[in-house]
Amino acid sequence: DTGVSQDPRHKITKRGQNVTFRCDPISEHNRLYWYRQTLGQGPEFLTYFQNEAQLEKSRLLSDRFSAERPKGSFSTLEIQRTEQGDSAMYLCASSFGDYNEQFFGPGTRLTVL
Amino acid sequence: AQKVTQAQTEISVVEKEDVTLDCVYETRDTTYYLFWYKQPPSGELVFLIRRNSFDEQNEISGRYSWNFQKSTSSFNFTITASQVVDSAVYFCALSEALRGSTLGRLYFGRGTQLTVWP
Repeated sequence: DTGVSQDPRHKITKRGQNVTFRCDPISEHNRLYWYRQTLGQGPEFLTYFQNEAQLEKSRLLSDRFSAERPKGSFSTLEIQRTEQGDSAMYLCASSFGDYNEQFFGPGTRLTVL
Repeated sequence: AQKVTQAQTEISVVEKEDVTLDCVYETRDTTYYLFWYKQPPSGELVFLIRRNSFDEQNEISGRYSWNFQKSTSSFNFTITASQVVDSAVYFCALSEALRGSTLGRLYFGRGTQLTVWP
């Protein structure tokens, strides 16, 4: 039983560089979510896909952030021109069915130097 | 304003004590879901339970129980006979209806760090 997977698990980058993260949801799940979590806080919603359609984006998702789910399977989250404030754990979750039970991956920890 | 408030930042108990984690939520929707997640030191969020806004029955699962009260907008979580392995951060979350669907974002509280000492 494969859960949600995320790659890479850790990323260290210099300010101004672009980074891309990948999320592979549980295979039969049609909805995919991205969240960001900083130390001592709960996860904050970034964006959400149903199949390949991006249905909701948070105000947190500035113009430097873009997410895609081209074939309704895996998703990528790209951050352009990273800033130190982007340092956080980026979490991906997936769900299916009527109850919005979201299952989370292990996260990608981003450190921007 | 926070949609989900977990007022207890940290709780410490000794093994075998019972402990209750508080969660208060705020929503104007009549249809919504409430959730609890556990985040152990390894970091991965683990789903524990979902409750539907129309179902106020309390639920028990082993040593875990949940008390949902719409009158006070609370969804509290009790661990009976706590164990060291229960040490983790626990998050309460809310899912509201979006365009008639409750399948969108989760609003999380800030979490309660539970430490169970042997």
